[in-house]
Amino acid sequence: DIQMTQSPSSLSASVGDRVTITCQASQDISNCLNWYQQKPGKAPKLLIYDASNLETGVPSRFSGSGSGTDFTFTISSLQPEDIATYYCQQYDNSPPTFGGGTTVEIK
Amino acid sequence: EVQLVESGGGLVQPGRSLRLSCAASGFTFDDYAMHWVRQAPGKGLEWVSGISWNRGSRGYADSVKGRFTISRDNAKNSLYLQMNGLRAEDTAFYYCAKDASGTPHGVMDVWGKGTTVTVSS
Repeated sequence: DIQMTQSPSSLSASVGDRVTITCQASQDISNCLNWYQQKPGKAPKLLIYDASNLETGVPSRFSGSGSGTDFTFTISSLQPEDIATYYCQQYDNSPPTFGGGTTVEIK
Repeated sequence: EVQLVESGGGLVQPGRSLRLSCAASGFTFDDYAMHWVRQAPGKGLEWVSGISWNRGSRGYADSVKGRFTISRDNAKNSLYLQMNGLRAEDTAFYYCAKDASGTPHGVMDVWGKGTTVTVSS
């Protein structure tokens, strides 16, 4: 199985800060990488697919980049409603596998 | 409105069985692959199983292979997960998720609210 390594596991930032999360795959996955947001007590929500495509209705402050093994997820200006855990997930090979998650808190 | 509603969770003893259901609405169910994803208490997400639109392709995580069976009834817009030989480590919140395509690639664009499965004596 492809291992997905996310970092950091948690972060604390101020409202308006730029937040960056990285995800590394154990092998080349091209651009087969999604990012999900999971708010406390809620189901995950797809934010970014194919590494850099914004899902319909998702605010433009969220973005993704990368290909191959190294990927980045960015919140350009952190908002209070962005408090959540964020997961990367590869779908290049079965089984789909998730990163360990990054919990984002407000400082 | 696109919606997925899971049901069938509960408390079950180790070794027993449970069947989860997921009722879909608001989209053409038989156009899309479907998945089950679980989340143990305080842990991350784990893909469990996926099925193609026509049931021709099914996949399972190694942790459940041989014990769990995914199925679907397109006439009833429903997805199922038959879970046999349950273990304590199967305790989790189980989510039903829609794939963005007809094959279970793994772009999960709609999720249900989930149902809880607790395996304990």
